[in-house]
Amino acid sequence: SAVISQKPSRDICQRGTSLTIQCQVDSQVTMMFWYRQQPGQSLTLIATANQGSEATYESGFVIDKFPISRPNLTFSTLTVSNMSPEDSSIYLCSVDRDKTDTQYFGPGTRLTVL
Amino acid sequence: GENVEQHPSTLSVQEGDSAVIKCTYSDSASNYFPWYKQELGKRPQLIIDIRSNVGEKKDQRIAVTLNKTAKHFSLHITETQPEDSAVYFCAASSRSSASKIIFGSGTRLSIRP
Repeated sequence: SAVISQKPSRDICQRGTSLTIQCQVDSQVTMMFWYRQQPGQSLTLIATANQGSEATYESGFVIDKFPISRPNLTFSTLTVSNMSPEDSSIYLCSVDRDKTDTQYFGPGTRLTVL
Repeated sequence: GENVEQHPSTLSVQEGDSAVIKCTYSDSASNYFPWYKQELGKRPQLIIDIRSNVGEKKDQRIAVTLNKTAKHFSLHITETQPEDSAVYFCAASSRSSASKIIFGSGTRLSIRP
């Protein structure tokens, strides 16, 4: 498995502001994924982030709201922009470390928007 | 796109009994089916997975079966223990969809002492 860390682990933010979440992996990985998990719900894929190319967003998610950076093979950021209370969720990154389709998850960032 | 349905949404079993969670998928190109366990406040943890070239896989008290024709796969937990209490997610992915994993809606499993 991979060692994956996320920062911050949790945050409380005011509506209209933005928060950038960092995901760090202990080894180089080609594909990184960002998920949202709303309270009591399943995981929904936001986007796939590959190093050196634009992120690929899923239906219902747009770059202006969730800009993603992938500057190298061990790091990615997800920004939640112009936040509203509906953005209150847990945001998780995951990686396919071994190119085996198996994804391992970071610990998540619990975001509360007031 | 892929759609994964999971049943039941909640399941309560007596300690020592077996638990079965069932999922169906829609994309016939799906070839990888992981199961994740998520304890309260924790990240999802992979507990077992199966690929489309096998019909069954077992790891101690947990097993997964796959019926490609019917597009069904199931998780079986035998001799359940209190620490099995968690939310379980099935998922499906395919290389044709860039290895994206699509998750089921989850099953909250409670083990009664």
